[in-house]
Amino acid sequence: AQSVAQPEDQVNVAEGNPLTVKCTYSVSGNPYLFWYVQYPNRGLQFLLKYITGDNLVKGSYGFEAEFNKSQTSFHLKKPSALVSDSALYFCAVRVGGGYQKVTFGTGTKLQVIP
Amino acid sequence: DTAVSQTPKYLVTQMGNDKSIKCEQNLGHDTMYWYKQDSKKFLKIMFSYNNKELIINETVPNRFSPKSPDKAHLNLHINSLELGDSAVYFCASSPYPAANEKLFFGSGTQLSVL
Repeated sequence: AQSVAQPEDQVNVAEGNPLTVKCTYSVSGNPYLFWYVQYPNRGLQFLLKYITGDNLVKGSYGFEAEFNKSQTSFHLKKPSALVSDSALYFCAVRVGGGYQKVTFGTGTKLQVIP
Repeated sequence: DTAVSQTPKYLVTQMGNDKSIKCEQNLGHDTMYWYKQDSKKFLKIMFSYNNKELIINETVPNRFSPKSPDKAHLNLHINSLELGDSAVYFCASSPYPAANEKLFFGSGTQLSVL
C-alpha cells in the first residue's frame, strides 16, 4: 500500500523568507510524486512532479521540490515567499504499472505573513 | 473555456433525497475521476473511468453510482443522502491513467446534507 505524510498541518512564514513544506512517502516500487495547491473555494492545481532524473524539480510560481530517495521525502520549497502563496498544499504519490490511484497527503496550510 | 467544469457549485438538500453532480472536461482526456474532500480537507478517490469504463472503484457505498455517457463526461448520482455525505466533491481528468500524468481538477461541488 502507498501512503503520503505531511507532518505539519500549518506552516507560517514571513513574506520574503524561504519556505519549506514537508512530505514523506511510502511505496512499493518507484514513486511518481506530485505537489498540488488549493486556493479557497477552488480545485487543486498542479505545481510540479517528479518522475525520474534530476532530484531537484522546478515547477510553477517559483516553487521547486527535492526528491530524496534515502529519506523517502519530497519537500516543497521556495526561496522567497509571497503573501499570494498562502494556500493549502497537497503532496501526492502514485506508483507505475496498470491503473493505479493517486494517494494524497492530508494537506499543509501555508500562511505567509506580510 | 473552463477545462474541467462541474455543476452545481453548491448543493443543499435534505437527508434521504437523491441528487446528481455533473462533470464535463473539454481537454480531450481519456480518464476522469471523482474525489471526495471532507471537512478536514482530506482528499480521497472514489471512482475513476477510462474511456467510459470503470477502472478504479474504492470502498464507496452503493448509494454512489457514477455514470460516464462518453469520455468527456462523468456524472455522480447519490441515492438516499446521509449527513455523512456532506463534503466537497471534485471531478478531475488526466490524458491517460498512467502514473506520471498530472490531474486537472474542477472547482468542486459543495454538498450539504441537512
